[in-house]
Amino acid sequence: QVQVVQSGAEVKKPGASVKVSCKASGYTFTIYAIQWVRQAPGQSLEWMGWINPDNGDTKYSQKFQGRVTITRDTSASTVYMELSSLRSEDTAVYYCARDRYGDLDYWGQGTLVTVSS
Amino acid sequence: QSALTQPPSVSGSPGQSVTISCTGTTSDVGGYNRVSWYQQPPGTAPKLIISDVNNRPSGVPDRFSGSKSGNTASLTISGLQAEDEADYYCSLYTSTTVVFGGGTKLTVL
Repeated sequence: QVQVVQSGAEVKKPGASVKVSCKASGYTFTIYAIQWVRQAPGQSLEWMGWINPDNGDTKYSQKFQGRVTITRDTSASTVYMELSSLRSEDTAVYYCARDRYGDLDYWGQGTLVTVSS
Repeated sequence: QSALTQPPSVSGSPGQSVTISCTGTTSDVGGYNRVSWYQQPPGTAPKLIISDVNNRPSGVPDRFSGSKSGNTASLTISGLQAEDEADYYCSLYTSTTVVFGGGTKLTVL
């Protein structure tokens, strides 16, 4: 069965970086893109970017351009999202999701990133 | 691209029907059919319930249906059940971006 499992919660200081992992299993990893979406407390979902695990091509939201980097390790069926220059407004739950031709059909459990001095 | 507009909240009694709207422009909702809906109960990850305007993934009850007219997409939930209480988000997928609505909190009275 398809599973998407993310790394655990993180606490970071302002200005630091965070790297969240997303391990997929139960299907051929390189067939479907992986999307990253975040949700600040009490707020809506916000798209951050995606990666094509087959060739590593990425596309980022303009809002995060320059601060976010999405990479993959095909040998480990894992995608990584790194966000730099963290500020308090980046406190949120970060989700990865399998993108099956436009349908985000399997989501990770979410990773809470807290930015606090 | 701006977020899609949804009502902040809707409510209904068990057995009733409710409709949640998702309004965009001719450049987004009006121009694409890649509108999806996600259900998010408190403290959980979103779950895909409608794709491509009106397609239900396997396992989603047929009480959930989607439609689109012009720049507005809609999600209708008929025969409301207590377990339907959740936040609902529309989204638009294009080849270059994904845009979400502001979310609608459904309360089952």
